[in-house]
Amino acid sequence: DIQMTQSPSALSTSVGDRVTITCRASQSIDSWLAWYQQKPGKAPKLLIYMASNLQSGVPSRFSGSGSGTEFTLTISSLEPDDFATYYCQQYHILWTFGQGTKVEIK
Amino acid sequence: EVRLVESGGGLVQPGGSLRLSCSASGFTFSTFWMHWVRQAPGKGLEWLSRINSDGTNQRYVDSVKGRFAISRDNAKNTLHLQMNSLRAEDTAIYYCARDDNGAHDHWGQGTLVTVSS
Repeated sequence: DIQMTQSPSALSTSVGDRVTITCRASQSIDSWLAWYQQKPGKAPKLLIYMASNLQSGVPSRFSGSGSGTEFTLTISSLEPDDFATYYCQQYHILWTFGQGTKVEIK
Repeated sequence: EVRLVESGGGLVQPGGSLRLSCSASGFTFSTFWMHWVRQAPGKGLEWLSRINSDGTNQRYVDSVKGRFAISRDNAKNTLHLQMNSLRAEDTAIYYCARDDNGAHDHWGQGTLVTVSS
């Protein structure tokens, strides 16, 4: 089974800050990685697919990078609507989510 | 507009069964793989199962293999999850999601399953 580990588990930050979340896979997954945003009481929303491709309608302040076993999600300038929990997911072999990163207001 | 609506959740006793449904609209359901994902209260997301477009191939996470069965009715644009031998740890919100080249591009609003005596 492929395990996905996100860091940090939570971070406190401010509007306008640059935010970087890391996701590591237990083995190479090439670029078969997605990022999702979830707000309380809502379903997840796809942000990034194939590690670096922005889903239609997602603001350009979100970006993804990486390949193999290490990946990052970057929010270039945090906006109030971005406070949420973010999950990575591999889909190289079956599907596995990371444990999530909660982005909170400082 | 793509729409996925889950139903069938509720309270069930340990060892019991439940069948979830996901009604799809706004796209050609029969051409997409579909998934079930769950989220226990206050916890993260867990992928459960995937079915291919014609329903002939299924995959499961180990924790539900042999207890849960995914199926679909393309004539009715509906996805199902039959859940048997339910345990307290199966308590969660269950989401259906559409597959777009592996990623889940559309999700339903979820249905809550509570396993308790």
